[in-house]
Amino acid sequence: VQLVESGGGLVQPGGSLRLSCAASGVTFSNYGMNWVRQAPGKGLEWVSTISGSGGSTYNADSVEGRFTISRDNSKNTLYLQMNSLRADDTAVYYCAIIIRGSYGSGGGLFEYWGQGTLVTVSS
Amino acid sequence: EIVLTQSPGTLSLSPGERATLSCRASQSVSSSYLAWYQQRPGQAPRLLIYAASSRATGVPDRFSGSGSGTDFTLTISRLEPEDFAVYYCQQYGNSPRTFGQGTKVEIK
Repeated sequence: VQLVESGGGLVQPGGSLRLSCAASGVTFSNYGMNWVRQAPGKGLEWVSTISGSGGSTYNADSVEGRFTISRDNSKNTLYLQMNSLRADDTAVYYCAIIIRGSYGSGGGLFEYWGQGTLVTVSS
Repeated sequence: EIVLTQSPGTLSLSPGERATLSCRASQSVSSSYLAWYQQRPGQAPRLLIYAASSRATGVPDRFSGSGSGTDFTLTISRLEPEDFAVYYCQQYGNSPRTFGQGTKVEIK
C-alpha cells in the first residue's frame, strides 16, 4: 500500500487549499480513508474520515463547516478541500487508510500512512 | 470521549535497555481496540500494535503490547538505535476514536 499526498503550501488566513492523496497497491474503494494532522511540535489530531463509497463522512469539530473530505474511486484519490483557513490549521497533513475494523468519528485503525504534506497558514 | 493519558512524557534510556510505556484510558476501551504507533523524527506515524497485543506486518518481535480495560503497556525488550522515537497510543473501539499525547523515547 502506498499513499502519496500533495497540494500543501503557504496560504494566507481566510484562504483555501485542496490536498490530494493518491493511493496504490490496494482496492481503494473498499476502504475508509482519513486525514490526520500534526501541528509543529504537537501530537496527532484526527481531521476527517470518509467511507469507501464516499457516502458517509465524519469531521472533527475544529474543521466542521470549513473542510470537506471527498474521494474519486475511479482515480484512487482522496481529497481535502480546506476553506477559511486559520493559523491554527498549520500542520503536516497525513492521509491514512483503514484496512480492518469499523470506523466513524475519530477515524479507526490507521494501518498505513502517507508521508504527509505541510500546510502553512500565515500572512 | 475517552481520554488517553500516556506516561512518562519522556523516557531516557540507552540502546539495549528495556522500555516500558504506559497508556491509561479514562474509561474501559471496547474489545481492547488499542493501538500503538511509532513516529520517528521527520517521518509519518507507523502502526506497531493493534488490538492491544497484535504486531502489525513487519514489526520486530522486540515490540510487544499488553493490557485490557483501562491500562495498556507497550514494551520494547531491547532498544535499537532506530527505536528512539515518539510513541502514540490510540483507542479505536469507542466513538470518537482518540489518541494519547505521546511518549518520547530518547537516547540517554
